[in-house]
Amino acid sequence: SQQGEEDPQALSIQEGENATMNCSYKTSINNLQWYRQNSGRGLVHLILIRSNEREKHSGRLRVTLDTSKKSSSLLITASRAADTASYFCATVHQAGTALIFGKGTTLSVSS
Amino acid sequence: GAGVSQSPRYKVAKRGQDVALRCDPISGHVSLFWYQQALGQGPEFLTYFQNEAQLDKSGLPSDRFFAERPEGSVSTLKIQRTQQEDSAVYLCASSLISGRSLSYEQYFGPGTRLTVT
Repeated sequence: SQQGEEDPQALSIQEGENATMNCSYKTSINNLQWYRQNSGRGLVHLILIRSNEREKHSGRLRVTLDTSKKSSSLLITASRAADTASYFCATVHQAGTALIFGKGTTLSVSS
Repeated sequence: GAGVSQSPRYKVAKRGQDVALRCDPISGHVSLFWYQQALGQGPEFLTYFQNEAQLDKSGLPSDRFFAERPEGSVSTLKIQRTQQEDSAVYLCASSLISGRSLSYEQYFGPGTRLTVT
């Protein structure tokens, strides 16, 4: 079963625009991670935010976490064509050993 | 340095055949995970190893699925009597740190795309 739900399912923007993806989850978590998957390539870890953190930055990425609403958002600023990919949030249960992924958001950035 | 590698990258099997998928994790990584990713979906957890011990196999969909990691490095996922619903990309991931909190990232291989005809 999949715990997270990303929103929107698909997003199309122009280069230079910002892209925001949201993720909701169901149970208590230890941390939440965002991954990117390019066509034909494996999943690449982008950023991890712990349950006691509210916001985290890494380069052009900004992640927020609201544990009261069981939701997270990923903001990609000044998007590039190379950002075209599927983005997944993944949670780690407090008692779990595995990553539980959502269905992903497909981002298309056109030049 | 070398990342996680998987072989074969593509496998076509006739229904009823047995298949074996290999994963070479990053050297020294204690934890190893297998995931199944259906088309248009996120990866779903299959099983987890800490060194050679299989600590969690709750995600294996049936007893036709079997995984091993006998020496704590290379792992093999075996599917017996393949069915069409087994068609998916099988991803392997490794992580340096063991433990239940999984506070460290997992490094994924490119996956094996299995097609059962």
